[in-house]
Amino acid sequence: EAQVTQNPRYLITVTGKKLTVTCSQNMNHEYMSWYRQDPGLGLRQIYYSMNVEVTDKGDVPEGYKVSRKEKRNFPLILESPSPNQTSLYFCASSLSSRTGAFYGYTFGSGTRLTVV
Amino acid sequence: KQEVTQIPAALSVPEGENLVLNCSFTDSAIYNLQWFRQDPGKGLTSLLLIQSSQREQTSGRLNASLDKSSGRSTLYIAASQPGDSATYLCAVRLQGAQKLVFGQGTRLTINP
Repeated sequence: EAQVTQNPRYLITVTGKKLTVTCSQNMNHEYMSWYRQDPGLGLRQIYYSMNVEVTDKGDVPEGYKVSRKEKRNFPLILESPSPNQTSLYFCASSLSSRTGAFYGYTFGSGTRLTVV
Repeated sequence: KQEVTQIPAALSVPEGENLVLNCSFTDSAIYNLQWFRQDPGKGLTSLLLIQSSQREQTSGRLNASLDKSSGRSTLYIAASQPGDSATYLCAVRLQGAQKLVFGQGTRLTINP
């Protein structure tokens, strides 16, 4: 089944303790991205990657890191989490638009992160 | 800056009714528009994708239209069912930008 898989689904952590949220897709998509969803603010892009070793900042990158060493994986790293990073996080992937066609996005099931 | 607005924020209708959800966007320079469904605490499920050159897309009881010149899209749901209860989000993919811009969503409740 074509899908984007995120782990863990739920995570409670303490301020300052480094964590990684994993994201993997099995559709051979070049493009991957991370979003966070907050009440009243909607979904906002954190980082995106156009392909292996190519990443760039989205609208709210502060406090986050990403890496793209393999095409299928795009982990989100919080080096020193703070309570304002408590949110629902989504990973998404899409075929690249370089061919001239613009494809839709497939989203993962989400990771609910609580930082205390 | 692209802004996406969805009205109404919440809608409650009896089962069996046909209904329309609205989405408007401020910048017509989009590649495509995508409608998603989100169940409480869950991920986003893609419903329909409309390319900027298209006027509408249909999938089962769902029909989405796009009028790029006026910055509007509608999602029509025919013969609504309680299982359609969810939050519906529209998102536009901007030209020259690698991201989706989302509306705040319409929370739909279908009453049996």
